[in-house]
Amino acid sequence: DQQVKQNSPSLSVQEGRISILNCDYTNSMFDYFLWYKKYPAEGPTFLISISSIKDKNEDGRFTVFLNKSAKHLSLHIVPSQPGDSAVYFCAARYNTNAGKSTFGDGTTLTVKP
Amino acid sequence: DAEITQSPRHKITETGRQVTLACHQTWNHNNMFWYRQDLGHGLRLIHYSYGVQDTNKGEVSDGYSVSRSNTEDLPLTLESAASSQTSVYFCASPSPGESQPQHFGDGTRLSIL
Repeated sequence: DQQVKQNSPSLSVQEGRISILNCDYTNSMFDYFLWYKKYPAEGPTFLISISSIKDKNEDGRFTVFLNKSAKHLSLHIVPSQPGDSAVYFCAARYNTNAGKSTFGDGTTLTVKP
Repeated sequence: DAEITQSPRHKITETGRQVTLACHQTWNHNNMFWYRQDLGHGLRLIHYSYGVQDTNKGEVSDGYSVSRSNTEDLPLTLESAASSQTSVYFCASPSPGESQPQHFGDGTRLSIL
């Protein structure tokens, strides 16, 4: 059973508009949720995270929202730029497992100029 | 700068051969992880280690093994390569901080013919 799901394999947006990437999870015991960005031929890089005790975390153009009752989180990118085109992975982990994370399948974001 | 490096970046081998992928980190971190990435499956955990002489199985460990003889290295071995193990392999180690995000190497693309 997949505990972290990204139901949209791809998303296309226009430069300057908002990108919203979604992620659902099944285990309410997760303590942290993380987003990673991956370019072709490179490893994923950490983007932003949120603790389960918060409902929003913001870092520049990137904001993550957490809705615990719905077991849903979303990553907002405003404004979107062509350089944001990449695969975005949602991940979740427990506080006790020293970095071990469960990943979603990823969403490919394309930002058109 | 401290880093995590994987070698080789690309490898082609035949079914039945033993293959070893190298992972080396210079942070002196205890925790290291191996993931594989396949289209439509995101990142799946193969094996992980919390320190020297410690190894643990992940969700897709069949056909793989790891050893941890020092802090810096966690080599991944495919005992008898199968075509189903054609994939991109990523090594990772968590960064310090509250959410302990993974820091990934650039990956090894392995093709088994």
